[in-house]
Amino acid sequence: GAVVSQHPSWVICKSGTSVKIECRSLDFQATTMFWYRQFPKQSLMLMATSNEGSKATYEQGVEKDKFLINHASLTLSTLTVTSAHPEDSSFYICSARGGQEQETQYFGPGTRLLVL
Amino acid sequence: GQNIDQPTEMTATEGAIVQINCTYQTSGFNGLFWYQQHAGEAPTFLSYNVLDGLEEKGRFSSFLSRSKGYSYLLLKELQMKDSASYLCAVIDSNYQLIWGAGTKLIIKP
Repeated sequence: GAVVSQHPSWVICKSGTSVKIECRSLDFQATTMFWYRQFPKQSLMLMATSNEGSKATYEQGVEKDKFLINHASLTLSTLTVTSAHPEDSSFYICSARGGQEQETQYFGPGTRLLVL
Repeated sequence: GQNIDQPTEMTATEGAIVQINCTYQTSGFNGLFWYQQHAGEAPTFLSYNVLDGLEEKGRFSSFLSRSKGYSYLLLKELQMKDSASYLCAVIDSNYQLIWGAGTKLIIKP
């Protein structure tokens, strides 16, 4: 099956710092990557959709200047949380689509962000 | 609006069978997914249905009826490790993935 990696798996940082999270499709070319956020005991919430080489499409209510997404290649997308604050503490999960089963989204293992 | 309904929580006994239902109302339909998510982990892909009928994959089966806007995930020979949330998601006409809130399945010995 398609494998998606995410790095780092855990981040603890001080308020005001920026954090970059990487998402890689390891064995397929991802035409589209998605970034989700999930608070404890809540549903997945889609933050943005990105296609390689184009600007990300953000969901309503998600600040694009705060959550910078770069999808520079068919195997790598990055999410940068700029000037992170405690309320940004969450579980950030990426997914990628574009493998043999074109419609299936395969998820990375997620990144836990704790902002102190 | 777009809507996906699934029960919030279900409880079943180890070794038994459980069926998790999902009904949807979306603008168009291009397939339905079931994902499993253990607490604290990312979702993992279970199944994809785009045509009516039953797809069997080991202990897990997924059924789809497009005319009824209905799907179910059937888990047989339940094991303790099956305790997780099960997420139903539908691809709409714009190829956007619409997520249900998930069903938390609790397995008791």
